[in-house]
Amino acid sequence: QQQVKQSPQSLIVQKGGISIINCAYENTAFDYFPWYQQFPGKGPALLIAIRPDVSEKKEGRFTISFNKSAKQFSLHIMDSQPGDSATYFCAASAVNRDDKIIFGKGTRLHILP
Amino acid sequence: GAVVSQHPSRVICKSGTSVKIECRSLDFQATTMFWYRQFPKQSLMLMATSNEGSKATYEQGVEKDKFLINHASLTLSTLTVTSAHPEDSSFYICSAKGATSGSSDNEQFFGPGTRLTVL
Repeated sequence: QQQVKQSPQSLIVQKGGISIINCAYENTAFDYFPWYQQFPGKGPALLIAIRPDVSEKKEGRFTISFNKSAKQFSLHIMDSQPGDSATYFCAASAVNRDDKIIFGKGTRLHILP
Repeated sequence: GAVVSQHPSRVICKSGTSVKIECRSLDFQATTMFWYRQFPKQSLMLMATSNEGSKATYEQGVEKDKFLINHASLTLSTLTVTSAHPEDSSFYICSAKGATSGSSDNEQFFGPGTRLTVL
């Protein structure tokens, strides 16, 4: 059972455009939703995270939108740049339970120069 | 920010040998460390969770006798792949969670990963 579903699998966006990656979860016990950025041969790095008590969180060009009733959340990258080309993983976790982070399958993002 | 290191960054070994990978939290005490495995173009799969001074908890399907985890201190966890075989070749990533300023309750800090190739 895939607890965190991520789409699309790959995404190509023109420089300056908006990149949008979507995720859906099933377990209502999840209460922490991070997004990670991973470059080839490197470990993942936390990009931005949100808790279900807010519907949106913005940090620079990165915004998470969260819809608790639909159990969906998405990452928007504004003014996408070639340096944003990487694999992005959404994830979910239940704080104060087992601390396990469940990852989506990832989205390979390529920004065209 | 919190930094997690891994050593070695890559290792090549012969089939049947054992390999030890170290994971260190450099500027904070890690109450919990996690070990992940990532195959090419795939997501991270949690292998086990370890708390300092206690036995690791392994995920279903992960052989505890093959992947030995030791979390002897609040800044060091080790993963030993015993009697490695070519199918164990993968990217192994650790993460650490602990009390550090400015972090979310559940933020995990990831290491740079270790590329294991078993010939």
